[in-house]
Amino acid sequence: DIQMTQSPSSVSASVGDRVTITCRASQGVSSWLAWYQQKPGKAPKLLIYTASSLQSGVPSRFSGSGSGTDFTLTISSLQPEDFATYYCQQTNYFPRTFGQGTKVELK
Amino acid sequence: QVQLQESGPGLVKPSQTLSLTCTVSGDSVSSESYYWSWIRQPAGKGLEWIGRIYNSESTIYNPSLKSRVTISVDTAKNQFSLKLISVTAADTAVYYCAREGIVVVDAFEIWGQGTMLTVSS
Repeated sequence: DIQMTQSPSSVSASVGDRVTITCRASQGVSSWLAWYQQKPGKAPKLLIYTASSLQSGVPSRFSGSGSGTDFTLTISSLQPEDFATYYCQQTNYFPRTFGQGTKVELK
Repeated sequence: QVQLQESGPGLVKPSQTLSLTCTVSGDSVSSESYYWSWIRQPAGKGLEWIGRIYNSESTIYNPSLKSRVTISVDTAKNQFSLKLISVTAADTAVYYCAREGIVVVDAFEIWGQGTMLTVSS
C-alpha cells in the first residue's frame, strides 16, 4: 500500500495566518492527490483534487501544489471556519489511502 | 443536487454480519461517470477506504478487508450496499458512502453524513 505521511500532525494558528500542511507519499503518485477538510461529527469535504484543482465552491484561500511524492496544502489567510482536520489522499493506486490527518487548532 | 444517505443497524454482535445501505438521490448508481465507494473511520482515527463498485458490477476492495467484504448495487432502489462478515470490535467505526468521480474530479467529491456502527456483545 502507498503510505501517506502528513506533517505536522497538528498546528496552532491564529485567524489571518498562512498555514501550510505537507503530505508525502511513499512512492510517486504523479498528480493524483486530493485534500479534504473534516470538522467534528461531519463527513470529510473535498477541497482540492489532482493536487492543485480547486473543487467547486471552495474558497480561493485554499490552494494545493506538488507532484510525485511531495505535496502541500496552503490556507493563505486562516478564517474561523477553517479550524478542522485536513487529510490528503492518493488517487493513483489501490487501495486508496489517506494521510493520518493534520489538526488546525486555534492558538 | 446529489445526496447520499447511509443506513444501518447501529449495533452488531461479534462474529455476525454487518449490512449497510447507501441511498442515492439526484444521480444513478448505474451511472458510468462515477464510482460508488465505502470508507470508514474509527473514533478519533483516520480514514480507511473499504472498496468501490462501478457500473453496477465491477468491484475493487481493500486487500486488508477483501476476504470479508462485498459491495453490491440495487438499481431498482438506487442504492448500493456494504456487507462485512465476521465482524470484530476492530470494525467499530463511522461508515461513509461516497461518490468518486472518474473523468473530471478524481476524488471523493460527495459524501454521506456517515452512520455509526458498534460491534459489541
